[in-house]
Amino acid sequence: GQNIDQPTEMTATEGAIVQINCTYQTSGFNGLFWYQQHAGEAPTFLSYNVLDGLEEKGRFSSFLSRSKGYSYLLLKELQMKDSASYLCAVRDRNDYKLSFGAGTTVTVRA
Amino acid sequence: DVKVTQSSRYLVKRTGEKVFLECVQDMDHENMFWYRQDPGLGLRLIYFSYDVKMKEKGDIPEGYSVSREKKERFSLILESASTNQTSMYLCASSSPFEGVSAEAFFGQGTRLTVV
Repeated sequence: GQNIDQPTEMTATEGAIVQINCTYQTSGFNGLFWYQQHAGEAPTFLSYNVLDGLEEKGRFSSFLSRSKGYSYLLLKELQMKDSASYLCAVRDRNDYKLSFGAGTTVTVRA
Repeated sequence: DVKVTQSSRYLVKRTGEKVFLECVQDMDHENMFWYRQDPGLGLRLIYFSYDVKMKEKGDIPEGYSVSREKKERFSLILESASTNQTSMYLCASSSPFEGVSAEAFFGQGTRLTVV
């Protein structure tokens, strides 16, 4: 199975950069996903990594190191609407099981 | 527009009742998932299915069962509801393929209260 860890909370100022780390242990890795979830809403997809390196998508970037079992989500030029929970999820190669970390609540302050 | 639809947004049930939560997806996805979400615990996987009539236990299957008779529909069943099953329940579906197309799409969630 997977063991996925990420910080509980982070606070940053509007316009700044925040990096959310995620570490995982899995018996068979087949991709890492980041999701955003606003309060009272369903999670929405942000990014996907399956090979080592950086994937950039506008203000959001995600990095993966498979050998270290480590990923981060980088949020640049923070806006108030980025206040949300960010979920790291790992897919298992053997049975497509998708497991989530507990989520990181990011609060953006003016 | 891709869609995962859960039958109810809010439900209130009594302890001991049998409860059915229904989920339908229109994306022809093979994989479907049921999670519950509780404050501080994140999304915990209850059951998932990678094909019709196939089911696999997730991390917290106790007290739950599932049914997948058709590809588009995945039902979560609480055999005898208890107060500790009060939670937000989220259904998701995904394709089994590699790449970005493997992203999971979520329903809007069902907030279940057991009294």
